[in-house]
Amino acid sequence: AQTVTQSQPEMSVQEAETVTLSCTYDTSESNYYLFWYKQPPSRQMILVIRQEAYKQQNATENRFSVNFQKAAKSFSLKISDSQLGDTAMYFCAFMRGRGGKLIFGQGTELSVKP
Amino acid sequence: GAGVSQSPSNKVTEKGKDVELRCDPISGHTALYWYRQSLGQGLEFLIYFQGNSAPDKSGLPSDRFSAERTGGSVSTLTIQRTQQEDSAVYLCASSLRASGGALQETQYFGPGTRLLVL
Repeated sequence: AQTVTQSQPEMSVQEAETVTLSCTYDTSESNYYLFWYKQPPSRQMILVIRQEAYKQQNATENRFSVNFQKAAKSFSLKISDSQLGDTAMYFCAFMRGRGGKLIFGQGTELSVKP
Repeated sequence: GAGVSQSPSNKVTEKGKDVELRCDPISGHTALYWYRQSLGQGLEFLIYFQGNSAPDKSGLPSDRFSAERTGGSVSTLTIQRTQQEDSAVYLCASSLRASGGALQETQYFGPGTRLLVL
């Protein structure tokens, strides 16, 4: 069975600084996808970034980038130039290829301080 | 419609009553998912639909929980004889299809229904 672990329950960062959220996963699958979702207090889950396991290049979306280490089964999220609006719960999620459920980590609550 | 919609936003019910939660996916999305988010259990998968069929019901916690999807669009999650432990936020998500690469399989979530069982 696949598992996803986020070892940092809470983190804080000063506005404009950079922060990295950690995620590790365990799977025997070779074809899978990894995602980071953001959930602000409004509780709406918002996709931040996705990564295909077969792609060696790390995904980037504006201020958000990942460090995908397939051999180590690690998928960390880096947020550059942190903004107050980045304050939210961040979830790392795993999906086996060819559809199906997302398996989520426990979440990291990020606070961006002015 | 721009995104996934869910209704009601909030539901308060008494223990033992039945509740129905509705999900309207993004137009054209053939795959639909239900998840439950609670303080003690985190985010848990409940059931997934591809079209009107449910290939994976493995996350439904008991036979009090059921879901259906008609016309390949709207889905209803029904909880019978609600218990206090059913209190949670129920999230619905949809994706373009369940097989076709990361872009097509990316799940987009609705705002959720917060259920409180007294």
